[in-house]
This record gives sequence, structure tokens and C-alpha cells, in this order.
Amino acid sequence: NAGVTQTPKFQVLKTGQSMTLQCAQDMNHEYMSWYRQDPGMGLRLIHYSVGAGITDQGEVPNGYNVSRSTTEDFPLRLLSAAPSQTSVYFCASSYARGSYGYTFGSGTRLTVV
Amino acid sequence: GESVGLHLPTLSVQEGDNSIINCAYSNSASDYFIWYKQESGKGPQFIIDIRSNMDKRQGQRVTVLLNKTVKHLSLQIAATQPGDSAVYFCAEKANDYKLSFGAGTTVTVRA
Repeated sequence: NAGVTQTPKFQVLKTGQSMTLQCAQDMNHEYMSWYRQDPGMGLRLIHYSVGAGITDQGEVPNGYNVSRSTTEDFPLRLLSAAPSQTSVYFCASSYARGSYGYTFGSGTRLTVV
Repeated sequence: GESVGLHLPTLSVQEGDNSIINCAYSNSASDYFIWYKQESGKGPQFIIDIRSNMDKRQGQRVTVLLNKTVKHLSLQIAATQPGDSAVYFCAEKANDYKLSFGAGTTVTVRA
């Protein structure tokens, strides 16, 4: 049981480049989300999904796109990377309703130069 | 907006002592709270949770206390060990899906 798998673990991008951060879970969780973590700011929600085909914006969605074509996968796309997107990105999943915590991936450390 | 926050950004504890990490929340509609531990280079890991219809819950060496009157949450770690050194986050859930996180408290255990 792998839990939540994120790839890549590290990435350096040049300003203006695009890329996709991958996230997959094998727990049949309905809910998946992406957070970014910056020093002193905790975890901020970028986008989330409550099931295949359904996505919505979180606190800081600008510059990011998501899609959810399957229950297992929830990729995060950076369309045109900016230095302000330098951060550590975490994917998390959980069962949808009720009192359940999130299972987090190990993170992707992204640097935009 | 409403958010969850922690009282102190850092906490230094002597090995073997008990640790208390505090968290204040402002959303009275929150009905589920979680404590996470994050070690360097890793994702947050679930420690313990509590629902709003409870005021105390115990796990292995950890206890979470919830005071809804003053919107306060705390995590107590008994007999703190070097492996407890990490950043601790409280999180609240005010609807079925989204968790809001505080900025975190860095706990350092002194030998």
C-alpha cells in the first residue's frame, strides 16, 4: 500500500517554463488536494477535488491548473513558471465525508530561477 | 479570513519532559481538528484528531485537548524524545473537505 505518491521529488525550472507535478493515491480516496508550503506560512490550499471530474480552487490558485480524470490521479500544472512559485508542494488525499484526516505525499521541492 | 494559528513558532524542550503545543482557532463552525507532525524533508504525518463533541483524546504518549469556549486546541507529548523534534501543525475542518492549517510550531528536544 503505497499511499500518496508524488513525482518528481525535486525540480528546477526556468521562468516561463511549464511542467506537471504528478500525484497518485491507491487508497480509493474521493478527496484530493494540492498545498504549497512556504517558510512561516504553513500549508496553503491551491486546488482540490472531491471526485473524478470535479475540481475547485483553494486559497492560492493563480498560475496553477488541475484536472481529475480518475480517482487515483490529480496532477498539478504550472503553465508559465514564476519565481514566486518556488515552494514545496504537497499532495494530500482523504475519504470525502466525515471526520477523516489527510494522507500526505512526501512533497516536490520546486525552484524557479 | 478565518484561520488556525499556533501561539509560539518555536518550543525547546528537555528530553524526558512533557511538551505542550498550543493552537488557537477562530472558526466556530469547525467540527474536526487534527495535529500533524512534519519532519525535515517529509510530508506532514497524522498524529491525533478530535471531534468537536469531545474535549480530550489520548493516544500513545500524546493527548489532544479541545476548549471550544475559548477556541483553543493543545497537543501534549509525554516524556519527549529526540525523535519528537519536528514541526507540529494544527488543522481544522469546517466543512466536509477542506483543512485549514496554522503556521506551525518547531519543537527542538535538548539532550
